[in-house]
Formats: sequence, C-alpha cells, structure tokens
Amino acid sequence: SQTIHQWPATLVQPVGSPLSLECTVEGTSNPNLYWYRQAAGRGLQLLFYSVGIGQISSEVPQNLSASRPQDRQFILSSKKLLLSDSGFYLCAWSAGTRHTGELFFGEGSRLTVL
Amino acid sequence: GQNIDQPTEMTATEGAIVQINCTYQTSGFNGLFWYQQHAGEAPTFLSYNVLDGLEEKGRFSSFLSRSKGYSYLLLKELQMKDSASYLCASMDSNYQLIWGAGTKLIIKP
Repeated sequence: SQTIHQWPATLVQPVGSPLSLECTVEGTSNPNLYWYRQAAGRGLQLLFYSVGIGQISSEVPQNLSASRPQDRQFILSSKKLLLSDSGFYLCAWSAGTRHTGELFFGEGSRLTVL
Repeated sequence: GQNIDQPTEMTATEGAIVQINCTYQTSGFNGLFWYQQHAGEAPTFLSYNVLDGLEEKGRFSSFLSRSKGYSYLLLKELQMKDSASYLCASMDSNYQLIWGAGTKLIIKP
C-alpha cells in the first residue's frame, strides 16, 4: 500500500532563519507531488506541484522554493523565513497516470515563525 | 475569478442528518471533490462528482448540479466522530483544485 510521510510535524523558527520540510512517498512510482499551505479560515493554497524529477511548477511567487531530487521525495525550503510564512504545510501525492483530484496527504507540518 | 463558497460552521445532533452546501465558480470544470479534515490532521478524500446527480457512499452522499454550480454533501446517522471540517474543492480547466475554506461541523449529543 502507498504511504506518505512528512517531517518535522511541528517547528518554531525565528524570522530570517532557513526552512526545510521533507516529504516522501512509498509504494508508488512517478507520483504527482504537491505542497499546500493552509491558513486559518482559508482554503488550501497550492504552493508547488511536480509531475516528475526536477519538474517544479510554482503557483505563488514568494520566498519559498521546492525541489524533487528523487522520484518520491519532495522538499520545501526557504532561505529566510517571514512572519507570514507561519501556517500548516501539507504535502500530498496523486497518481501520475491521469488527472485526478484524489489527493493523499501527509500528516502536515505546523510552522510558527516568531 | 475563481471562488468556492461554503458555510463557515454548522451544528447538528448525533443521529440526525446534515447537508453541507457548496457553490463554485471556476475557469472550466473537471469535477467536484469533498474532503474531511479532523482538527490538527490532514484532509482525507470523501467523494468525487463530475456528472449531475447523487453519488452515495455509505452514510455519506454527494450531489452535483453543474448548471447551478452547486454541490452538497449529505451526512446521515451522524456520529460524534463526524465532527470535523468538510472541504469542498472544484477542479478547473488546468486540472488544479480550487479549495473552499471549509465548513466546521459540530456534532452535539
């Protein structure tokens, strides 16, 4: 069966510090991978998605970046965090063989920037 | 612009039925999705509608009217564990999901 894990689950970072969130998927190959951010009272905001290794599409210009160094690994990074980067970050995957809205989410990472 | 509207919060009684409405306006349409999200957890997929009508899956059903840009999620025989947020999302012409802010459902005994 397929599983998805992301870490860390919780982190508190000072403004201006770097960030790295990691996500890995097991049990499937060539998945579509996504990074979302969820702010209180707002819908999920798509940050990045990837259809293959090294292929990253950015939906929102900001100080975040994403990388996909391996087929089932997706990393969200920042060189310098802003207060507005606080939120609940979710990694997700979907089957890469067709367009589907059935996403499978990781456990989430709650980031607080102070 | 693209927009998904759903009520912010609803309250229902254990054992009862509740209907959560969602209206959508997206650039193109490739399906309407419902997800359940318990507090502090990740969303989990509930249902998918691309054609008009009702899709039933156990205690949960989802309805779609494409001409009205309208969907609802119907939960029957409510249980305390159904207390969660329910997210409506429409897939646009680029096959990207546009998400509503979610409806927080509170179940009372």
